Amino acid sequence: ETVLTQSPATLSLSPGERATLSCRASQSVSRNLAWYQQKPGQAPRLLIYDASNRATGIPARFSGSGSGTDFTLTISSLEPEDFAVYHCQQRGNWPPITFGQGTRLEI
Amino acid sequence: EVQLLESGGGFVQPGGSLKISCAASGFTFSDYALTWVRQAPGKGLDWVSLISGSGGSTYYADSVKGRFTISRDNSKNTLYLQINSLRVEDTAVYYCAKWGDYYMDVWGKGTTVTVSS
Repeated sequence: ETVLTQSPATLSLSPGERATLSCRASQSVSRNLAWYQQKPGQAPRLLIYDASNRATGIPARFSGSGSGTDFTLTISSLEPEDFAVYHCQQRGNWPPITFGQGTRLEI
Repeated sequence: EVQLLESGGGFVQPGGSLKISCAASGFTFSDYALTWVRQAPGKGLDWVSLISGSGGSTYYADSVKGRFTISRDNSKNTLYLQINSLRVEDTAVYYCAKWGDYYMDVWGKGTTVTVSS
């Protein structure tokens, strides 16, 4: 099973700042990694797929990078609505599909 | 608009059973695989199962293999999860999600399953 480790667990920033979230895989997943955003009481929403492709309707301030075992989600300039939990997910070595434990982005 | 709507969650005693459903609309149902993902209170996302568009292929997390059964009725645009031998640790919000281009591109709002004596 491919274990995904996200860091940091919690990131405290202010609106307008740049956020950098990390996801590390225990073995290579090539570029088969996605990022999801989840707000309290809501279902997750797909942000980034195949490591760097923005999903439909996702603002350009969200970007993803990486391949193999190290991946990054960057939010270039934080908006108030961006404060949420972010999850990474791999499909490079499945089953099982696995998720990271999440990073909470807080004000 | 693509929509998924789960139902059937509830309160169950350990060892009990439940069947939850996910009604889909807005896309050609049989063209897509579908997944179940759960989230225990205050925890991260946990993949449970996936079924192909035809229903001919199914996959499970080790933690649920032999207890959970995923199925679908393409004539009713509905996905199911039969959950047997429920454990306290199965308590979670259960989401269905469309497996579009190999990722979960549309999610339902979830249904809550609570296992407690």
